[in-house]
Amino acid sequence: SQELEQSPQSLIVQEGKNLTINCTSSKTLYGLYWYKQKYGEGLIFLMMLQKGGEEKSHEKITAKLDEKKQQSSLHITASQPSHAGIYLCGASQGAQKLVFGQGTRLTINP
Amino acid sequence: NAGVMQNPRHLVRRRGQEARLRCSPMKGHSHVYWYRQLPEEGLKFMVYLQKENIIDESGMPKERFSAEFPKEGPSILRIQQVVRGDSAAYFCASSHSTGHETQYFGPGTRLLVL
Repeated sequence: SQELEQSPQSLIVQEGKNLTINCTSSKTLYGLYWYKQKYGEGLIFLMMLQKGGEEKSHEKITAKLDEKKQQSSLHITASQPSHAGIYLCGASQGAQKLVFGQGTRLTINP
Repeated sequence: NAGVMQNPRHLVRRRGQEARLRCSPMKGHSHVYWYRQLPEEGLKFMVYLQKENIIDESGMPKERFSAEFPKEGPSILRIQQVVRGDSAAYFCASSHSTGHETQYFGPGTRLLVL
């Protein structure tokens, strides 16, 4: 079965700094999703990538899928306190269910 | 357009009782997925349903757990004779169709078994 590994597991950055979160898959990715979860809440959909080399941006968050479709990165520019939370990557498995990484806990220090 | 709704948000049960978790998908969505997030663990798929049909229940425990998505009304995840190990956050997601369609998640139900 497919496994996703996220790195780092936790990240503390100063407000205003840039940061990158990585998601590596044990198998080829056919649909890669990034979600954000705040403590005690549900998952908020950020972006979805399908094609090798694809890159999408929303506000200050950019996600990329590498050409081989086995790794994705999430980059946040000029981080703000509102970016704090747990970031999860998820991969389509059988076009029906998602398998998730263990998450990256992001803390933004003012 | 209301998002995915789940209720209750918090549920406390004693060992041996039944827990019923409800999920109303987004308007226009006919595909529902249930996931479980155990303490200090990742999010795990449990079951995928379409209206009146269970499509994939490969992640459901074999005993005590059941799910339904009737023609009318919300999807229900039912846990009979709860045990402490069932304490977790249960999330419901919905999509418009299948085939790499984005799944939108509800706020979750946090179940605590005493």
